[in-house]
Amino acid sequence: KNQVEQSPQSLIILEGKNCTLQCNYTVSPFSNLRWYKQDTGRGPVSLTIMTFSENTKSNGRYTATLDADTKQSSLHITASQLSDSASYICVVSALSGGSYIPTFGRGTSLIVHP
Amino acid sequence: DVKVTQSSRYLVKRTGEKVFLECVQDMDHENMFWYRQDPGLGLRLIYFSYDVKMKEKGDIPEGYSVSREKKERFSLILESASTNQTSMYLCASSPYRDPLGYTFGSGTRLTVV
Repeated sequence: KNQVEQSPQSLIILEGKNCTLQCNYTVSPFSNLRWYKQDTGRGPVSLTIMTFSENTKSNGRYTATLDADTKQSSLHITASQLSDSASYICVVSALSGGSYIPTFGRGTSLIVHP
Repeated sequence: DVKVTQSSRYLVKRTGEKVFLECVQDMDHENMFWYRQDPGLGLRLIYFSYDVKMKEKGDIPEGYSVSREKKERFSLILESASTNQTSMYLCASSPYRDPLGYTFGSGTRLTVV
C-alpha cells in the first residue's frame, strides 16, 4: 500500500530560525513529489514539484530535496517568518495503469513565534 | 494565474438535507477533483473527472455524487447530509491528470448539525 509519512507532526520555532520538515514515502512506481503550504482555513498552495531526476529545488526561502534511493524528501525553510506558520503537506504521485494516483501525507503543522 | 472558486467558504446544513458544493475553474482544465480534509487524516479523494460528463470514484465516494455538465464546473452533491460529513471540502483543477498540476480552491468548511 502506498504511504506518505511526514515528521514531525508539529513544530514550533522562533522567527528567524531555520527548520527542516521530513517526508518518507513508500509509493511505487514513483512519478513525482510535491510540497504544499496550507494556511489555516485555506486551500493548499504549491511550493515545489520534484521529479525522479531532481535532487534539489528552491523557491525563495524554501528548499526541497529528494533522495529517490532512500525514498525521502525534506523541505528546508530558511530565516523563518511569522507568515510561514501553516501546515506543510507532502504529496507523492504514482503512475498506475495510465492514471496518476496521489498519496497525501497528513502534514506538518509549523508555528513560528516572534 | 489559474483560479479555482468554491462558492461557499462556510456552510451549515441540517442532517438529511441535500447539499450542493460548487467549484468553478477559469483555465479550461479538463481535470477536476473533489477532496475532503479532516484533522489528522490528510486529504482523501472523493470523486474526480477527466472530462465533461465523465466521473470516477475516488477513495471515499460513499454518500456523495458529482455532476460535470460543463467543463469549468464540477459539483459535489451530498444526497442526504450526515454529521460524519462535517469536514473541509477542497476542489482542485489541473491541466494534467497528475496532481503535478493541481490548483486548489480555498475550500468549503461544511458543518452538518
